[in-house]
Amino acid sequence: EAGVVQSPRYKIIEKKQPVAFWCNPISGHNTLYWYLQNLGQGPELLIRYENEEAVDDSQLPKDRFSAERLKGVDSTLKIQPAELGDSAVYLCASSLDRANTEAFFGQGTRLTVV
Amino acid sequence: GQSLEQPSEVTAVEGAIVQINCTYQTSGFYGLSWYQQHDGGAPTFLSYNALDGLEETGRFSSFLSRSDSYGYLLLQELQMKDSASYFCAVSLTGYSTLTFGKGTMLLVSP
Repeated sequence: EAGVVQSPRYKIIEKKQPVAFWCNPISGHNTLYWYLQNLGQGPELLIRYENEEAVDDSQLPKDRFSAERLKGVDSTLKIQPAELGDSAVYLCASSLDRANTEAFFGQGTRLTVV
Repeated sequence: GQSLEQPSEVTAVEGAIVQINCTYQTSGFYGLSWYQQHDGGAPTFLSYNALDGLEETGRFSSFLSRSDSYGYLLLQELQMKDSASYFCAVSLTGYSTLTFGKGTMLLVSP
């Protein structure tokens, strides 16, 4: 069974440019998360989807970040415009449903803003 | 909000036993999870405790005391491949979202 797939693996962009990350969760997993991980820190939730509905986006900086999960499967996270402080690893995870306690993480996208 | 405390770094030698502690402050606590993350890799699930007591999975065990808001991960027969960061994470009643601690870097030496 394929795990959570993210692309790209690495991305370097100049500040003020837009960037997008893509995530394909495990087949059949209804819950999808985007986390941000800074160096030496634990993952921090940006947004959680139940199927195609964003049910927890309180930590998402909505002035520059946006996300979508069309048809309740793949998801895209976008930053526009990117700032230097956005440099981090962006992790996507999925779980079977909201009651499931085990989350499966992708390898992440390491973003560097220069 | 929620807060979790765990040591930043632990060192041990191969074959030894190490315990990584985690204390938490949260309302609506539902369960405590542990994840392992190798450098540059994805966090991977190790264990989950919703009830008080010890859960054992091979060389790894996890303990929870809800009354003390405390848990720990116990790693036995340490191997070099166990060198990684270990995160405790809490989940709240009715929600699957995990709130992670800052992680403990475990360094296993020969």
